[in-house]
Amino acid sequence: DVKVTQSSRYLVKRTGEKVFLECVQDMDHENMFWYRQDPGLGLRLIYFSYDVKMKEKGDIPEGYSVSREKKERFSLILESASTNQTSMYLCASRPRTGGSLSSYNEQFFGPGTRLTVL
Amino acid sequence: AQKVTQAQTEISVVEKEDVTLDCVYETRDTTYYLFWYKQPPSGELVFLIRRNSFDEQNEISGRYSWNFQKSTSSFNFTITASQVVDSAVYFCALNYFNKFYFGSGTKLNVKP
Repeated sequence: DVKVTQSSRYLVKRTGEKVFLECVQDMDHENMFWYRQDPGLGLRLIYFSYDVKMKEKGDIPEGYSVSREKKERFSLILESASTNQTSMYLCASRPRTGGSLSSYNEQFFGPGTRLTVL
Repeated sequence: AQKVTQAQTEISVVEKEDVTLDCVYETRDTTYYLFWYKQPPSGELVFLIRRNSFDEQNEISGRYSWNFQKSTSSFNFTITASQVVDSAVYFCALNYFNKFYFGSGTKLNVKP
């Protein structure tokens, strides 16, 4: 059974704290993604990684950084948490497929981490 | 630019009713894939279906069916004889060069 796991389901932090959200996948996927989900806004891409140590900014990278030291693990870092980063954070992974099938594969999602910043 | 619009924020139906969730997309590319995901209250998004831009055949899977119309840039999802277990948030998404563009989601409430 393929799996994407996230370190916490619920997290409460204080403003200014450094926050680490961890994501691990066991499917040997090259691509990994971090999204935040807010009511009425759907899923917005924060960062993604297409290989170890490689990263690309998504649509809303401000206030976030990421780390991918191993293929199976993708970490999202909030350097100094703020209240407007209170949200649901979703991690996903996806295998790489080349050529005309590059868009074929779906993303596999973790259960999400609901982060509250006080 | 790629964009997906799900105009219906929330829909409530009574069990056994049919319901259609709308999805309209924008892209200039000719080759793309469209997806539907279901997010139950547990939170994890579950893949339902993908559709290639060159394949406009409708698809049926049990009580679920999808209608893809390139002429109107729509990829609508119909649930026939809805059940309480269908209650969830449903997302439509467009994949373009390894990035997924999600709509804002439609919350479906199915009441017994």
